[in-house]
Amino acid sequence: NAGVTQTPKFRVLKTGQSMTLLCAQDMNHEYMYWYRQDPGMGLRLIHYSVGEGTTAKGEVPDGYNVSRLKKQNFLLGLESAAPSQTSVYFCASSPDGAYEQYFGPGTRLTVT
Amino acid sequence: AQTVTQSQPEMSVQEAETVTLSCTYDTSESDYYLFWYKQPPSRQMILVIRQEAYKQQNATENRFSVNFQKAAKSFSLKISDSQLGDAAMYFCAYRSWNTDKLIFGTGTRLQVFP
Repeated sequence: NAGVTQTPKFRVLKTGQSMTLLCAQDMNHEYMYWYRQDPGMGLRLIHYSVGEGTTAKGEVPDGYNVSRLKKQNFLLGLESAAPSQTSVYFCASSPDGAYEQYFGPGTRLTVT
Repeated sequence: AQTVTQSQPEMSVQEAETVTLSCTYDTSESDYYLFWYKQPPSRQMILVIRQEAYKQQNATENRFSVNFQKAAKSFSLKISDSQLGDAAMYFCAYRSWNTDKLIFGTGTRLQVFP
């Protein structure tokens, strides 16, 4: 039981490049989330999903897109990376919104 | 909109001593959930403790306990018998009963000295 995994762990992009972050969970959770963590700002919700095929915007969705084609996977895409997207990205999952969220190990993304 | 405030950017404690981390929140709702998460240097976020607002009894998990003051909108975390492994960032988080989203505070960095 791996829990929540994220791929890749580190990435460096040039401004304007695109990439996709993959989050996978093997706990059969319905809910999945993408956060970004910046110094002094805690975690902020980017997008989330309450089930396969659904997505919804969080607090800071601009510049990101997501897809949840399979229940176990939640993808976060950056179509045209900007230096302001330099951050640590966390994925989380939950059996439903009331329970604790289980977090992945994070992806450190640097955009130059 | 709900907000979560952690007014202590950094705290320190001697090993085996007790430390309390503060968290306040702003909400007009009566039903909600509160959480404390720990983020060690490995970056992995780990749930420490959870409190349902409708429960008057303060939650406890081994050396970790909370002081939940609903009227004051305060949710502090007490760590007893501090250990070196408790050194980490601690985040307080709020979730409304009718939404699926967590709102995090900015965190408190706890140092533990031997």
